[in-house]
Amino acid sequence: AQSVAQPEDQVNVAEGNPLTVKCTYSVSGNPYLFWYVQYPNRGLQFLLKYITGDNLVKGSYGFEAEFNKSQTSFHLKKPSALVSDSALYFCAVRENDGGATNKLIFGTGTLLAVQP
Amino acid sequence: EAQVTQNPRYLITVTGKKLTVTCSQNMNHEYMSWYRQDPGLGLRQIYYSMNVEVTDKGDVPEGYKVSRKEKRNFPLILESPSPNQTSLYFCASSKRTSGRWGSQETQYFGPGTRLLVL
Repeated sequence: AQSVAQPEDQVNVAEGNPLTVKCTYSVSGNPYLFWYVQYPNRGLQFLLKYITGDNLVKGSYGFEAEFNKSQTSFHLKKPSALVSDSALYFCAVRENDGGATNKLIFGTGTLLAVQP
Repeated sequence: EAQVTQNPRYLITVTGKKLTVTCSQNMNHEYMSWYRQDPGLGLRQIYYSMNVEVTDKGDVPEGYKVSRKEKRNFPLILESPSPNQTSLYFCASSKRTSGRWGSQETQYFGPGTRLLVL
């Protein structure tokens, strides 16, 4: 069965510094991977996804993620953090069932806190 | 504007009083789904629908019902709510495509409904 792990409950970073939010996955077959962000009192917003092709995926708000098949990781990165990036970040993998359910399997989330 | 809407956004109720949370999307998506978000557990799928009149259970369906009479609407029904259903609920939709490794489509989420069952 597919699964996603986000090993850090919280990541603290100073504004202007690079940030990384970690995600590892366990799937059979080729993974379809997603990152979502949840701002306080808001729904989940799509940031980026990896389906195939270039291992470095660029997304919204200056975020990018690197797919690493050998390490089964899909870490979210940003070169320079903003205070407004403070939010809850979820990594997700698509259930590998040939599209039968379209289900996403989510990690437990990582709270990113950017200090001014 | 393409969006998924949910109502109500906040709800406080008592044990056993039936309630419905509505979800509507304007993107003509075939697929719709309900998730609940709980601290330390991430989001877990409750029910999903691949098209009108086609629904199926997700990972945590107990205590919930859904219906899909129209393509745009996918209401979540709690016939007899209990305190363990206190949670943050999200509706999501996407196009329905299938492939060897699953769907490549992005799911779009509503703003969430925060439910407290006393």
